[in-house]
Amino acid sequence: QVQLQESGPGLVKPSETLSLTCGVSAYSVSTDYHWGWIRQPPGKGLEWIGSVYHTGSTYYNPSLKSRVTISVDTSKNQFSLKVSSVTAADTAIYYCTREAGGTTDHRIDYWGQGTLVTVSS
Amino acid sequence: SSELTQDPAVSVALGQTVRITCQGDSLRSYHASWYQQKPGQAPVLVIYGTNNRPSGISDRFSVSSSGNTASLTITGAQAEDEADYYCNCRGSSGDHMMFGGGTKLTVL
Repeated sequence: QVQLQESGPGLVKPSETLSLTCGVSAYSVSTDYHWGWIRQPPGKGLEWIGSVYHTGSTYYNPSLKSRVTISVDTSKNQFSLKVSSVTAADTAIYYCTREAGGTTDHRIDYWGQGTLVTVSS
Repeated sequence: SSELTQDPAVSVALGQTVRITCQGDSLRSYHASWYQQKPGQAPVLVIYGTNNRPSGISDRFSVSSSGNTASLTITGAQAEDEADYYCNCRGSSGDHMMFGGGTKLTVL
């Protein structure tokens, strides 16, 4: 069973960079699939942030693209998220995910448990 | 439109059938996937593509699509189906994903 686990600081100061890592168990990130990030502000809906293919190709939410970097580290079997110039609006639960399928059968089939990141001075 | 629109809240009597809809231009080109989220938990995939359900998901969940609207139908709703439901689909350009705003389902 594939397992995903987010890690990183729970508190980030405004204007700084949010950095999270997702460790993957029971599957090699270098084999296949897109590996992504989704966030959910407290009491609000889900927002897709972006994903990285096992080859390193990246795809981002157009509204966040200028501040987001997602990368994969095959040597550590993990992938990472960086969000620059954060504000209080970036406060959210951040989920790491695995995306499978193509245009007709795309799905997010595995999710981490989520980690709350608060932006505050 | 680059958005997916869902009704904020829907209710259903126990044992009855309920339809949750998701509207957006990209649904004319791409299939949606649907996720169930209960309080304090990560979302769970319940159905995708043309009625593909992951192992362990009840066959009470089904999907249909027409034009710019995708629908999740729960036949014989149970108390455990009470949750938030989100649709997800590619954006019209095909290079990013997006979620609907979510529908809170109450089982009466």
